[in-house]
Amino acid sequence: EAGVTQFPSHSVIEKGQTVTLRCDPISGHDNLYWYRRVMGKEIKFLLHFVKESKQDESGMPNNRFLAERTGGTYSTLKVQPAELEDSGVYFCASSPGFLDQETQYFGPGTRLLVL
Amino acid sequence: AQSVSQHNHHVILSEAASLELGCNYSYGGTVNLFWYVQYPGQHLQLLLKYFSGDPLVKGIKGFEAEFIKSKFSFNLRKPSVQWSDTAEYFCAVNVNSGYSTLTFGKGTMLLVSP
Repeated sequence: EAGVTQFPSHSVIEKGQTVTLRCDPISGHDNLYWYRRVMGKEIKFLLHFVKESKQDESGMPNNRFLAERTGGTYSTLKVQPAELEDSGVYFCASSPGFLDQETQYFGPGTRLLVL
Repeated sequence: AQSVSQHNHHVILSEAASLELGCNYSYGGTVNLFWYVQYPGQHLQLLLKYFSGDPLVKGIKGFEAEFIKSKFSFNLRKPSVQWSDTAEYFCAVNVNSGYSTLTFGKGTMLLVSP
């Protein structure tokens, strides 16, 4: 079974540019989460999809971040325009269904550097 | 809101030494507890988890953790570390109530010297 995949693995952009990160969850997983780790800090929740709907987006930093999950499959996270403080590692995770005791399976992360 | 504190940011051990990584959380209700590990160049993977029942939980690769409710702690242990245990370790919690996202500690970087 394929795990959670993320693309790209690394991205270096200049301040003011746009970047789109993609996450493909494990097939059949309804829950998809985005997290971010800024250097030296903890991994922080950004948002949670259940199928194609946003269940919780309380962790999104501001309106420069836009997440979508087309047809309840893969998800994209767009940062527009990027700022220096957006640099970090963006993780995606997925889990099967509605159980609070489910394990979340993580992707390898996308390392974003904004110059 | 819940929070997680990991006591050590960096730990250096020699092979065969015993390991204990501290984790404390703050939340008044029922939580699920996790330890994740990230080996160099790899993705985060689950080491072990506690939901209910026996507070001593055994995970993969000889790791175990003990949930002490009165101390709000979930410390990770391994009696004898190996060089291959070099990795970053993350303690995480979520609230045992419906959909719940993970709250992570800052991570502990473990370096095991051969």
